[in-house]
Amino acid sequence: EAQVTQNPRYLITVTGKKLTVTCSQNMNHEYMSWYRQDPGLGLRQIYYSMNVEVTDKGDVPEGYKVSRKEKRNFPLILESPSPNQTSLYFCATRSGSRVTGELFFGEGSRLTVL
Amino acid sequence: GENVEQHPSTLSVQEGDSAVIKCTYSDSASNYFPWYKQELGKGPQLIIDIRSNVGEKKDQRIAVTLNKTAKHFSLHITETQPEDSAVYFCAASKHSGGGADGLTFGKGTHLIIQP
Repeated sequence: EAQVTQNPRYLITVTGKKLTVTCSQNMNHEYMSWYRQDPGLGLRQIYYSMNVEVTDKGDVPEGYKVSRKEKRNFPLILESPSPNQTSLYFCATRSGSRVTGELFFGEGSRLTVL
Repeated sequence: GENVEQHPSTLSVQEGDSAVIKCTYSDSASNYFPWYKQELGKGPQLIIDIRSNVGEKKDQRIAVTLNKTAKHFSLHITETQPEDSAVYFCAASKHSGGGADGLTFGKGTHLIIQP
């Protein structure tokens, strides 16, 4: 079954405590991306990756890091989380580089930073 | 960059009635317009998309229309059912065709189907 798996699904943490949200896909997709979803703001792209070792900033990259060492994994790293990073995070994948393709989303990771 | 406006933010309709969600975009170079449905507790899922060389596309009870001149596109759901209750997002591509970037999403519409 085609899947995009995110972990953890829920996390409550404190300001400044480094955390990593993992994303793994079994569809052999080149493109992976992270979005955050906030009430009234919709989905905003944080970072994306066109392929292994290729990453680039989206619209709201401040405070986040990513890496793409393997094709299937694209972790999102918050080095020093702050309360304004409290949000619902989605990892998404797409086959190929063209934007005109279906995005497959994970089920989301709800992060609360106190 | 691209800006996508989506209206309304909340839409409540009686079961069996039609629902229409509207989006406008700013970048005339955008040429790909998907719609995603997000059910409670899940990630968004593509339900229909349209490209700028087409004015309308249908898939059973859902249809999307595109007016390139006015730079707006709409999602139409007919004979609404309880399972249509969800948040719907429109989106537009930032670049025409291939490119390194992703989509610009609207802020979402919470569709409520009243029994």
